[in-house]
Amino acid sequence: SVLLYQKPNRDICQSGTSLKIQCVADSQVVSMFWYQQFQEQSLMLMATANEGSEATYESGFTKDKFPISRPNLTFSTLTVNNARPGDSSIYFCSSRVTTNSDYTFGSGTRLLVI
Amino acid sequence: QQKVQQSPESLSVPEGGMASLNCTSSDRNFQYFWWYRQHSGEGPKALMSIFSDGDKKEGRFTAHLNKASLHVSLHIRDSQPSDSALYFCAASETGNTRKLIFGLGTTLQVQP
Repeated sequence: SVLLYQKPNRDICQSGTSLKIQCVADSQVVSMFWYQQFQEQSLMLMATANEGSEATYESGFTKDKFPISRPNLTFSTLTVNNARPGDSSIYFCSSRVTTNSDYTFGSGTRLLVI
Repeated sequence: QQKVQQSPESLSVPEGGMASLNCTSSDRNFQYFWWYRQHSGEGPKALMSIFSDGDKKEGRFTAHLNKASLHVSLHIRDSQPSDSALYFCAASETGNTRKLIFGLGTTLQVQP
């Protein structure tokens, strides 16, 4: 299975500012997924990012608010633009090596917007 | 509508007891299932996957899938306090992207 490393682990930012979250895989993966999780709740899929193409966003998430880059097969970044207190949550990246392997998750980035 | 439904919302079992969790997909495009466990402060970790009808056993964990009804269950025998966590059922679609969609989760508490 693939290992995913996220940074930062946690961050506090002011309302109206932007924050960038990085996800690095220890092997090449085709798709990377980004999830949002509010405290003790479900994981909501935000978008799917494939190398060299625009990310595909799920309902309720937009490119303007959460731009995602995927410059190569081991790296992705999620940006939270114009952060609001309602964006305070944990953000996870996820991927898998093959279509038969488990999806693994990074350790998450806890964001607090004040 | 939530594509993946889980029940119960929370569950308490005594140490050594059996915990049973349920999950149903409402979308026939999502018929590959995983069970994930998340301890507080950590990311979710895959417990097991099940893609075919019938039972799949891994140690104390047994999953059962009925593809006709898209119902999957997870049974944990000899439950331990360390099994106390948030359990998610997740389903992936059959297309090329195969994105993974999560249910709302079941909170399991194992009482020592």
